[in-house]
Amino acid sequence: DIQMTQSPSTLSASVGDRVTITCRASQSISNWLAWYQQKPGKAPKLLIYKASSLESGVPSRFSGSGSGTEFTLTIGSLQPDDFATYYCQQYNNFLIFTFGPGTKVDIK
Amino acid sequence: EVQVLESGGGLVQTGGSLRLSCVASGFTLNTYAMSWVRQAPGKGLEWVSSLSSSGTSTYYSGSVKGRFIISRDDSKNTLYLQMNSLRAEDAAIYYCARVRYGDFFCDSWGQGTLVVVSS
Repeated sequence: DIQMTQSPSTLSASVGDRVTITCRASQSISNWLAWYQQKPGKAPKLLIYKASSLESGVPSRFSGSGSGTEFTLTIGSLQPDDFATYYCQQYNNFLIFTFGPGTKVDIK
Repeated sequence: EVQVLESGGGLVQTGGSLRLSCVASGFTLNTYAMSWVRQAPGKGLEWVSSLSSSGTSTYYSGSVKGRFIISRDDSKNTLYLQMNSLRAEDAAIYYCARVRYGDFFCDSWGQGTLVVVSS
């Protein structure tokens, strides 16, 4: 089974900061990686798919990069609406998914 | 507008059964693969099960294999998750999610339904 890790687990930042979250896979998953944002009491929301493709309607301050086993999600200039938990998800094995443990972005 | 709406959650005793439903609107269920993802209180997301768009292939996480069954009723545009032999560790919010057509990530999620398992 493919395992996913994320770092850091918690990140404290200020509005306007550039934020980077790292996701690592236990084996190569090519670019079959998605990123989701989740706010308390809400469903996850798709941000990025195929490692770097921005979902329609998602602000351009969000970007993704990486391939193989190491990936990053970057928020170019953190906005008040961006304080949330972020999850990566690998989908290298068709409809068998694995999520990362999540990274909580909170206010510094 | 694409929407999925889960229902069927509730309180169940350890060892009991529950069937979750997910009604789709704005799209035809049998055109898309679908998944169930759960989230225990204060924890992260955990993939539970997926159903292929053809409806012929099912996939389960190791933690629920042999106890849960995913299925759908095309006439009702509804996805189901039959959960049997429930354990305390199955307590969670269960989300229904549509898988992007031609791909394998979840692009639309419901608001979830809460399952509580008590002894």
